Amino acid sequence: DAGITQSPRHKVTETGTPVTLRCHQTENHRYMYWYRQDPEHGLRLIHYSYGVKDTDKGEVSDGYSVSRSKTEDFLLTLESATSSQTSVYFCAISESQRGREKLFFGSGTQLSVL
Amino acid sequence: GESVGLHLPTLSVQEGDNSIINCAYSNSASDYFIWYKQESGKGPQFIIDIRSNMDKRQGQRVTVLLNKTVKHLSLQIAATQPGDSAVYFCAASSGSARQLTFGSGTQLTVLP
Repeated sequence: DAGITQSPRHKVTETGTPVTLRCHQTENHRYMYWYRQDPEHGLRLIHYSYGVKDTDKGEVSDGYSVSRSKTEDFLLTLESATSSQTSVYFCAISESQRGREKLFFGSGTQLSVL
Repeated sequence: GESVGLHLPTLSVQEGDNSIINCAYSNSASDYFIWYKQESGKGPQFIIDIRSNMDKRQGQRVTVLLNKTVKHLSLQIAATQPGDSAVYFCAASSGSARQLTFGSGTQLTVLP
């Protein structure tokens, strides 16, 4: 599991409420990522981080913010959850091997916005 | 941009048979490819990767074949076992990990 822990594993919330998902890693990886996975779109990158306080947007960043105050923790926040944000969220880290970066994923958070 | 697609959304095979899962990509600049396995309720698990300077790579019971001419890659699983039942998807990249584009997945079911 590349030392990645996501919490919570499941979350049900109401439209308009703020939600924060946490990703914790134990292996001092520099790069961390948040993806969402939907049946019709597959995995899509939301935000990523390349170091403490260094983050950037991915393909589907609208409605999401992230923070990384420590190397080991990467938080994803939905400021005001909407039903379209119902999804499975995965955190990932990357490892560079032979000049290419591989992604390793956590177990995911199932988020339902009612 | 890149798009990655799998040929079949579902595949059923008999236990012990070989499985072949196919994937097509659109960007001829893609030079790195990964196959992932995802079991129900779990995160994607890295299986095997291949760079564009190779056309075949083997792992434990798995082989990935890359045909750059037609922008196609396949995952072959030898002697398929019940534990191989999962969704398999490929990913393609022309650079860093954040540029990985993922396919939607093929559900592999292993029949007894």
